[in-house]
Amino acid sequence: KAGVTQTPRYLIKTRGQQVTLSCSPISGHRSVSWYQQTPGQGLQFLFEYFSETQRNKGNFPGRFSGRQFSNSRSEMNVSTLELGDSALYLCASRRNSGAGDNEQFFGPGTRLTVL
Amino acid sequence: QKEVEQNSGPLSVPEGAIASLNCTYSDRGSQSFFWYRQYSGKSPELIMFIYSNGDKEDGRFTAQLNKASQYVSLLIRDSQPSDSATYLCAVTTNFGNEKLTFGTGTRLTIIP
Repeated sequence: KAGVTQTPRYLIKTRGQQVTLSCSPISGHRSVSWYQQTPGQGLQFLFEYFSETQRNKGNFPGRFSGRQFSNSRSEMNVSTLELGDSALYLCASRRNSGAGDNEQFFGPGTRLTVL
Repeated sequence: QKEVEQNSGPLSVPEGAIASLNCTYSDRGSQSFFWYRQYSGKSPELIMFIYSNGDKEDGRFTAQLNKASQYVSLLIRDSQPSDSATYLCAVTTNFGNEKLTFGTGTRLTIIP
């Protein structure tokens, strides 16, 4: 069974630009969450989508946004990039909503460097 | 107070010994508890999850949960050099709530 896939794997952008990252969850998984990992802040939750709806959102500015498509694939967008946005962006998928089915599986991540 | 706390290490354990990793959490409403392993330059890999008080064993790994003490641990028996990695503890507050809150991780080194 294929795991979570993320594209691109590496990205270099300059300040002020915008970027779109893509995530395809494990087949049959309907929930996608996004996380940012930096050496200083660790792993932080960005947002979570289920059935094309954002269900949870972390404490990130509005420059960070996302969406989910009907096939459960998800994209996240960061506008007006800042140097501090340099990070590993991770996507995690989960089978569905409900008790006892909480395990999240991470993709390989997208390494974003902002110059 | 951080929501999820781990000793950052590094924790050094001889090969073949038991590695013990600890995690405490502040939200008494936390329901689901996870241990992820992360090798340098790689993404987190889920190795254990536990939802009820007590022990849960899977191969060389045992997760222990004590909700009264707000404490979760991971034991790795017969430690191997390939176990050298950063171990991340994560919790969610409610079943169905997708947000994982992570600790900062414990760096484990297995000494041959």
